[in-house]
Amino acid sequence: KQEVTQIPAALSVPEGENLVLNCSFTDSAIYNLQWFRQDPGKGLTSLLLIQSSQREQTSGRLNASLDKSSGRSTLYIAASQPGDSATYLCAVSVYSGGGADGLTFGKGTHLIIQP
Amino acid sequence: DARVTQTPRHKVTEMGQEVTMRCQPILGHNTVFWYRQTMMQGLELLAYFRNRAPLDDSGMPKDRFSAEMPDATLATLKIQPSEPRDSAVYFCASGFTEGTEAFFGQGTRLTVV
Repeated sequence: KQEVTQIPAALSVPEGENLVLNCSFTDSAIYNLQWFRQDPGKGLTSLLLIQSSQREQTSGRLNASLDKSSGRSTLYIAASQPGDSATYLCAVSVYSGGGADGLTFGKGTHLIIQP
Repeated sequence: DARVTQTPRHKVTEMGQEVTMRCQPILGHNTVFWYRQTMMQGLELLAYFRNRAPLDDSGMPKDRFSAEMPDATLATLKIQPSEPRDSAVYFCASGFTEGTEAFFGQGTRLTVV
């Protein structure tokens, strides 16, 4: 059974710092990996999707990398801002029944950016 | 602005009552997922559909939960009878078979008293 672990569980840093969030998964036979952001009381917003054949994806100040063989992904946030404060979730899917299976989620990293 | 729409946003009900949650996936998406989020367990997959056919509902308590997709624009998750341990936020998500991004609704916050 796939398990996804995110480290750290919580992180508080001053504004402007660059930071790295870590995600690991136990079964390397993934189809894709997705990073989400969740604000309190809200739904999930997709940040980046990395297909299993890709090594990284970038969007603005965000960069996500994938090392499938070692079962790891990192989300790099450059020049952090208070508006980046949220919970960041990592999730993986496997190939099943002719397409992507449902996502298995980590417990998330609760990020606070201090002004 | 395409989005997944869930109703109701909040539901408070008494133990033993039936609860129905609805989801309108993004038009054209052929895969619909139901997830449950709790503080203890995080996000868990309950069931999902591809082209309206149920593919996996192994995450659901079968005796009380049921998921259906009566047409391409509506997915439902029903709990009968509801119990306090069902209190959680239930999310619907939609996407394409080919494993592109999954888009989530705002969730239904269910409280069973």
